[in-house]
Amino acid sequence: GGIITQTPKFLIGQEGQKLTLKCQQNFNHDTMYWYRQDSGKGLRLIYYSITENDLQKGDLSEGYDASREKKSSFSLTVTSAQKNEMAVFLCASSIDWGSETLYFGSGTRLTVL
Amino acid sequence: QQQVRQSPQSLTVWEGETAILNCSYENSAFDYFPWYQQFPGEGPALLIAIRSVSDKKEDGRFTIFFNKREKKLSLHITDSQPGDSATYFCAASVVATGGNNKLTFGQGTVLSVIP
Repeated sequence: GGIITQTPKFLIGQEGQKLTLKCQQNFNHDTMYWYRQDSGKGLRLIYYSITENDLQKGDLSEGYDASREKKSSFSLTVTSAQKNEMAVFLCASSIDWGSETLYFGSGTRLTVL
Repeated sequence: QQQVRQSPQSLTVWEGETAILNCSYENSAFDYFPWYQQFPGEGPALLIAIRSVSDKKEDGRFTIFFNKREKKLSLHITDSQPGDSATYFCAASVVATGGNNKLTFGQGTVLSVIP
């Protein structure tokens, strides 16, 4: 088995601040994802990376940047945090782009004051 | 536009009852429908999934019923247990063409099972 580790678990930022969320997986999976979870809105895809040197925008990429530093790690940057923003950011991985099963981390909860 | 819709938003059942969670979708190209289960403080985990060529998928107490014509599916949890209390997400994607694994998630149903 493997595990997805997201850091930090809780992130509190100020309006306008640049914030970075980190994700590490030891599954040796090719594909990694960042989702945003808002209460009552389900999960929305922000960025994904099919392989180590790939980066693709999802449906909610505006206001975010992402970086696949190596096969095992995928970071997400909130470029300018919005006041009163509160959401959980979930990192996930899959064996490859064609694999149907996603494995999720436990999330980073963001609060912007 | 919400392509995958779930109802109800929340559901409470007694232990031992059958919980029925509903899902509908708009894109007729969707051919793979997983359900993910999420406990508080954890990430979602795949529970059970069905392909559009089937109308039923069973795994223990969990069964998916799928109606392609009406673009609807439902998750039935029989003999519900307090440990089933969680948020359940219906999702959909197009995998038949190969490689496109962008899942579209519904907004979730929060299930509470009362002992």
